[in-house]
Amino acid sequence: QKEVEQDPGPLSVPEGAIVSLNCTYSNSAFQYFMWYRQYSRKGPELLMYTYSSGNKEDGRFTAQVDKSSKYISLFIRDSQPSDSATYLCAMSARSGGSNYKLTFGKGTLLTVNP
Amino acid sequence: DTAVSQTPKYLVTQMGNDKSIKCEQNLGHDTMYWYKQDSKKFLKIMFSYNNKELIINETVPNRFSPKSPDKAHLNLHINSLELGDSAVYFCASSQSIGGSWVEQYFGPGTRLTVT
Repeated sequence: QKEVEQDPGPLSVPEGAIVSLNCTYSNSAFQYFMWYRQYSRKGPELLMYTYSSGNKEDGRFTAQVDKSSKYISLFIRDSQPSDSATYLCAMSARSGGSNYKLTFGKGTLLTVNP
Repeated sequence: DTAVSQTPKYLVTQMGNDKSIKCEQNLGHDTMYWYKQDSKKFLKIMFSYNNKELIINETVPNRFSPKSPDKAHLNLHINSLELGDSAVYFCASSQSIGGSWVEQYFGPGTRLTVT
């Protein structure tokens, strides 16, 4: 079983839809949970991160973590064509010294159609 | 004023050659990383340096050798290139102490094609 599982999609939705992206994980040592967005032929950029179970909201984006189920989600409200990208979940557990190693999911390709 | 820059952006070379990719960050971060993203977009860490010290060394063939001349630079040298090395290589940086360690800033990537 991979440490982080993410449905690669692709996912296609109409503009204005609510999008739900999900990841599951198996490593209980993961402490921090992140969502990255990657546009085509660009580097990933951090959208949100959290370290506790529950919800965290930032504008149209809500990150949800359920540590008991080892399940995280990203919700995008009022999706826009500019949200079309690959969304990668990432998780971290301490890895030597004071630095953390990120373990990524495979990414979900999202297309928002005008 | 690019935060994390990589050169070259594209690299096409033949099997058996040796090549290097360079990375520079101007964010003042103390930690830098190399990631490999394969054709299926799976992003996996290869190496990490903190204050020029190697702290993460994943299961990577020893044909890959990172070098960090200073905190702002991290290079990746690859010997005897193989077809399977074709991928996009991303450099990233973060601040481990006194900063937002969890936020890794990624470069634009180097698309390596081995023929």
